[in-house]
Amino acid sequence: GDSVTQMEGPVTLSEEAFLTINCTYTATGYPSLFWYVQYPGEGLQLLLKATKADDKGSNKGFEATYRKETTSFHLEKGSVQVSDSAVYFCALSLTSYDKVIFGPGTSLSVIP
Amino acid sequence: EAGVAQSPRYKIIEKRQSVAFWCNPISGHATLYWYQQILGQGPKLLIQFQNNGVVDDSQLPKDRFSAERLKGVDSTLKIQPAKLEDSAVYLCASSLAGPPGGLFFGEGSRLTVL
Repeated sequence: GDSVTQMEGPVTLSEEAFLTINCTYTATGYPSLFWYVQYPGEGLQLLLKATKADDKGSNKGFEATYRKETTSFHLEKGSVQVSDSAVYFCALSLTSYDKVIFGPGTSLSVIP
Repeated sequence: EAGVAQSPRYKIIEKRQSVAFWCNPISGHATLYWYQQILGQGPKLLIQFQNNGVVDDSQLPKDRFSAERLKGVDSTLKIQPAKLEDSAVYLCASSLAGPPGGLFFGEGSRLTVL
C-alpha cells in the first residue's frame, strides 16, 4: 500500500548546522508531497509542499524537491536555529480524494 | 480567519468508559479528517468526511469508535468503551475540496485511558 518512510530520529544539531531529513515514499500514481512540522505543545502545521515531479517547495528557509525517479522528498535547511526544534513529518496525498498519509516523524533538536 | 477548533484539549477516563471529542473546521472547508496520533508515531487517519458523507473509514475501529458530521460542518468522534490502547492525541483537520492544498490541523484532544 501507499506509505512514507523517514529517517529515524532524534536528530541533534548545533545552531547554524546544515539539516537534511530523508523521506521516501511508495504510492500508486503521482501523489502530492508535504512536510508538516509540529512544534512543542502545538498542532501540526504545513511547512511546504510540492504537487508534481521536479517541483521545489520552500518556506522559512526549508526546501524539498520532489524526485520522482528516486521517490524522495528530502527536507533541507542551510542553517538551523534553536527555534527549528520540532518534529517533522513527511506526508503524501493521493490527489484523487485528498487522503493524506503521514510518515512516523523525525524529531529535531537544535542546541545553541 | 479562525482555525480548526477542538475540544476538550485534555481528557482522562477509566477504561470501559466513553468519551466524545468535538471539532469545528475552518469555515468553507468541505473535507474534515480525524486522525489518531499515538506518542512517538505519525498521525493515522481514522475517518475522512466530504461534506456529510464518509470518504474513508477503513482504519476506524467500528466496534468502539463512531463519528458523525451533521450538516457538513461540525463533527464528533466518540469512543465507547475506551481501551488502554486508545490513549493518544485525536487530531481534527480540514481542507478545501479539490486539488490538495494541505491540511489545517486543530491543536488536538489528548486522551489518557487509565
